[in-house]
Amino acid sequence: EAGVAQSPRYKIIEKRQSVAFWCNPISGHATLYWYQQILGQGPKLLIQFQNNGVVDDSQLPKDRFSAERLKGVDSTLKIQPAKLEDSAVYLCASSPMSGLAGVNEQFFGPGTRLTVL
Amino acid sequence: GIQVEQSPPDLILQEGANSTLRCNFSDSVNNLQWFHQNPWGQLINLFYIPSGTKQNGRLSATTVATERYSLLYISSSQTTDSGVYFCAPLSDSNYQLIWGAGTKLIIKP
Repeated sequence: EAGVAQSPRYKIIEKRQSVAFWCNPISGHATLYWYQQILGQGPKLLIQFQNNGVVDDSQLPKDRFSAERLKGVDSTLKIQPAKLEDSAVYLCASSPMSGLAGVNEQFFGPGTRLTVL
Repeated sequence: GIQVEQSPPDLILQEGANSTLRCNFSDSVNNLQWFHQNPWGQLINLFYIPSGTKQNGRLSATTVATERYSLLYISSSQTTDSGVYFCAPLSDSNYQLIWGAGTKLIIKP
């Protein structure tokens, strides 16, 4: 079974530029998550999708970050314009379903390492 | 919200040693995951363990949900075990993972 796919793996941009990350979850997984991980910290949830609907985006900086999951499968996270403090690893995860105990194991992609200069 | 505390924060061991990593959480949870983040940043699932004990090779985990803690045991450590180990309980209010700060493990050859 294929795992969670992410691209690109690395990205270097200058501040005020825009950038987009792509994620393809495990086939059949209804729930998709985007996390931001700053070096030395645990992952921070940015947004959670259930199929193509947003479940929680309370920690997404909506003035510069946006995300979509139009067909309930793959997803794109965009930053525009980027700031220096956005330098981090952006992780995508998926799980079979949300809202039911016992079926929420999350699986992570390899991440995208973003450096903003 | 739920607080997660992992200990120790750092651990340096010689190859072949055994170790126990602890995760305490402040409220009831539906489930709990242990992850290993390798030096390249990949988060690898180790265990999905709401209660009881599970074993996978040299690793095992025990969760005592009623006492709000989980333990990860690593036996006969290898250098490839180096990295950061995260405990992440699953909140039973919003079914999201709550992350600890991690335990950084260094295994010396």
